[in-house]
Amino acid sequence: EVHLLESGGGLVQPGGSLRLSCAASGFTLSNYAMSWVRQAPGKGLEWVSSIRGTDGATYYADSVRGRFTIARDNSKNTLYLQMNSLRAEDTAVYYCAKDRIVTTLSAQFDDWGQGTLVTVSS
Amino acid sequence: DIQMTQSPSSLSASVGDRVTITCQASQDIKSYLNWYQQQPGKAPKLLIYDASNLETGVPSRFSGSGSGTDFTFTISSLQPEDIARYYCQQYDNLPPTFGGGTKVEIK
Repeated sequence: EVHLLESGGGLVQPGGSLRLSCAASGFTLSNYAMSWVRQAPGKGLEWVSSIRGTDGATYYADSVRGRFTIARDNSKNTLYLQMNSLRAEDTAVYYCAKDRIVTTLSAQFDDWGQGTLVTVSS
Repeated sequence: DIQMTQSPSSLSASVGDRVTITCQASQDIKSYLNWYQQQPGKAPKLLIYDASNLETGVPSRFSGSGSGTDFTFTISSLQPEDIARYYCQQYDNLPPTFGGGTKVEIK
């Protein structure tokens, strides 16, 4: 059974940094593209970033490009999101999500973690 | 970016009613559309992929149809556990984009 567990959220001041982690079990991380999707309080879903399983190619939303970095450690079966220069508008629950299709990036999300809350405020 | 417009934004129906949600894409996305259910306080759950295919384990009262720019999601007989917000999502082009969501309540 696939299980995704995010951690690393919390309260941070504007301009600060956080690193989110997503521990994966029940499948081999390197075989699948993985993504981060966020949800601001009371709002809808917004894709943030993806990393392809085959070659580690990365993709970012315009709103976070240059500030956020997605990475994975296949030996630990863990996905990361390094978030720098955080802004109030980055406040959200951040979910990691597994791609439905093996090897490629289809941007279809068939398994999700429970989410971790990031609050950017002074 | 492809814009996804969902309607209605909320609806209230009785147990056993047929419920329909529509999603319109700002350009042709073929059948590259998913539907997700997000129950209160929980992560989204994939229900329908490729516009009309039921994800494994999802009850058959859920269905999807459409292609191109116009899509429909249906609950054939609303159940109390279906109280949730439902989202469409296109994956034809990056960035993947979601509709604004439809909140489904019991009357």
